Amino acid sequence: EIVLTQSPGTLSLSPGERVTLSCRASQSVNSDYLAWYQHKPGQAPRLLIYGASSRATGIPDRFSGSGSGTDFTLTISRLEPEDFAVYYCQQCGSSPFTFGQGTRLEIK
Amino acid sequence: EVRLLESGGGLVQPGGSLRLSCAASGFTFSSYAMSWVRQVPGEGLEWVSVISASGGTINYADSVKGRFTISRDNSKNTLFLQMNSLRAEDTAVYHCAKPHINNWRAASEIWGQGTMVTVSS
Repeated sequence: EIVLTQSPGTLSLSPGERVTLSCRASQSVNSDYLAWYQHKPGQAPRLLIYGASSRATGIPDRFSGSGSGTDFTLTISRLEPEDFAVYYCQQCGSSPFTFGQGTRLEIK
Repeated sequence: EVRLLESGGGLVQPGGSLRLSCAASGFTFSSYAMSWVRQVPGEGLEWVSVISASGGTINYADSVKGRFTISRDNSKNTLFLQMNSLRAEDTAVYHCAKPHINNWRAASEIWGQGTMVTVSS
């Protein structure tokens, strides 16, 4: 099983700041199957990035993804108030598919 | 509009069974793989299972293998999750999800709101 470790666990930031979230895999992940999601309480998760770097439909261009092999990142170039949520990475290249434990973005 | 609506959750005793359903609309259900993902309240997301469009490819998380069975009825646009030998640690909100493309490994773009399963005596 591929274990995904996200860091940091929690970030306290202000609107307008730039943030980079990390997702590190225990073994190499096929980049075609690395995704990032945003999750807010009481809502369904929202797909942000698929294929490590492709934005999903309707996702603002302030969200970007990069990486390959075992190291992947999600960058939000300028935080908006609605971006404060929990972010998860997921790999679907090798079964069982796995999620990272999540990074919580909090408003400072 | 693409929609997924889960049902079938509830309170069940340890060792009991429950069958979840996910009614799909707004897309050609028979053309897409489908997944189940769960979230324990206050914790992270956990992938549970995936089934290909035809049902020929199925995979499970180790934590549910041998106890849960995923299936689908393409004539009724419905996904199922049969859950047997339920344990307290299966308590979670269960979401069904549709990938962004027809590939059983693809990321999940559309999610249902979820149905709550509580396993407790």
